[in-house]
Amino acid sequence: SYELTQPPSVSVSPGQTARITCSGDVLPKQYASWYQQKPGQAPVLVIYKDNERPSGIPERFSGASSGTTVTLTISGVQAEDEADYYCHSGNNRDTWVFGGGTKLTVL
Amino acid sequence: QVQLQQSGPGLVKPSQTLSLTCAISGDSVSSKSGTWNWIRQSPSRGLEWLGRTYYRSEWYMDYAVSVKSRVIVNADTSKNQFSLQLNSVTPEDTAVYFCARLDATGSEAFDVWGPGTLVAVSP
Repeated sequence: SYELTQPPSVSVSPGQTARITCSGDVLPKQYASWYQQKPGQAPVLVIYKDNERPSGIPERFSGASSGTTVTLTISGVQAEDEADYYCHSGNNRDTWVFGGGTKLTVL
Repeated sequence: QVQLQQSGPGLVKPSQTLSLTCAISGDSVSSKSGTWNWIRQSPSRGLEWLGRTYYRSEWYMDYAVSVKSRVIVNADTSKNQFSLQLNSVTPEDTAVYFCARLDATGSEAFDVWGPGTLVAVSP
């Protein structure tokens, strides 16, 4: 089991909005970040500090935090957004944890 | 532009030591703002953080509880690189191993990743 819990899969049609959640007891106390991973590639940071977007990441990617849940939202989903998405945060023991990952399918 | 380049064997025998190196360009392993991490990924364990090293007037290392008794992460300032040593490996240690920088004073996230090295543990 994972200290950060994500749904295994989310499916949306192109142009719709995808929301991926990540839940964990550490989240009210620690920042979360989100990574996109395509097959055979290393993860890419898409959101940090709950809702900040790195340069070069499209504006359709956004993040939000509420209590023990953080949410990655992809507005106007495109075919190229199909990937696995992982949340990440620190835990109370000075180490790092990842969620189990969510496979985003663009129908 | 910061880049990480990994090297090391793709096959290790059970009970032996897995050793990987991550060479840094565009930043310094002694940077006061970065921490240098090893992360692995397997179908059974997902993404798993293994350990890190960083310099803040002295060197620090932290390790995941799951591997703490078997792992060492070291920095080599002369070559601007850091390394992973995982002892007494079993087939459960078969995974893709990534090195990654965590920007400790900015994003507080893993903002640069190496390409990954698939390491198989097999006789």
